[in-house]
Amino acid sequence: EDKVVQSPLSLVVHEGDTVTLNCSYEVTNFRSLLWYKQEKKAPTFLFMLTSSGIEKKSGRLSSILDKKELFSILNITATQTGDSAIYLCAVAFLNRDDKIIFGKGTRLHILP
Amino acid sequence: DGGITQSPKYLFRKEGQNVTLSCEQNLNHDAMYWYRQDPGQGLRLIYYSQIVNDFQKGDIAEGYSVSREKKESFPLTVTSAQKNPTAFYLCASSISGFTEAFFGQGTRLTVV
Repeated sequence: EDKVVQSPLSLVVHEGDTVTLNCSYEVTNFRSLLWYKQEKKAPTFLFMLTSSGIEKKSGRLSSILDKKELFSILNITATQTGDSAIYLCAVAFLNRDDKIIFGKGTRLHILP
Repeated sequence: DGGITQSPKYLFRKEGQNVTLSCEQNLNHDAMYWYRQDPGQGLRLIYYSQIVNDFQKGDIAEGYSVSREKKESFPLTVTSAQKNPTAFYLCASSISGFTEAFFGQGTRLTVV
């Protein structure tokens, strides 16, 4: 059974801290791994990772994929209260169905 | 502006009634998706469609139906057979061959 597992499920840190969110997967026909940030309603796209070991960065956020160990991490440095959100990891497939599976998300809360 | 629009944002229905959620996109995307989100569950795939007049069941299709008569539109009907319909519903679209998905703002359905 294909699955995506995120950890931790929730995390509370103080502003300025650095956090690392984890996403592991067990899927067949892996195409890519995607990270989304969900605040009030719709998730917004952060990163798409297809190759191992290549870090993607956007401001204080960065992410990397390890296709051998089947996991990805999302790092957020110097956290701000605006980083409080649910962070979703998803995996897309190579087969013709092209469906996507999401993890349950990590609920991140940044204390001022 | 290009985007994906869901309506209504909030919907209340009596138990036993069918209800249809609207999803429209003007991004010229071939693929469209419906997800359901419950607390602690992350996003779960209900139905997806890769081309007009074709769609496939996702992981939790029971009690739901869809149609894809036009490229721009992918309405979801929550039928009376759905045992626990109260949830937050998200529609998404992507260029065929799934990479980055664009999400609507969601519809919160409450069945009383």
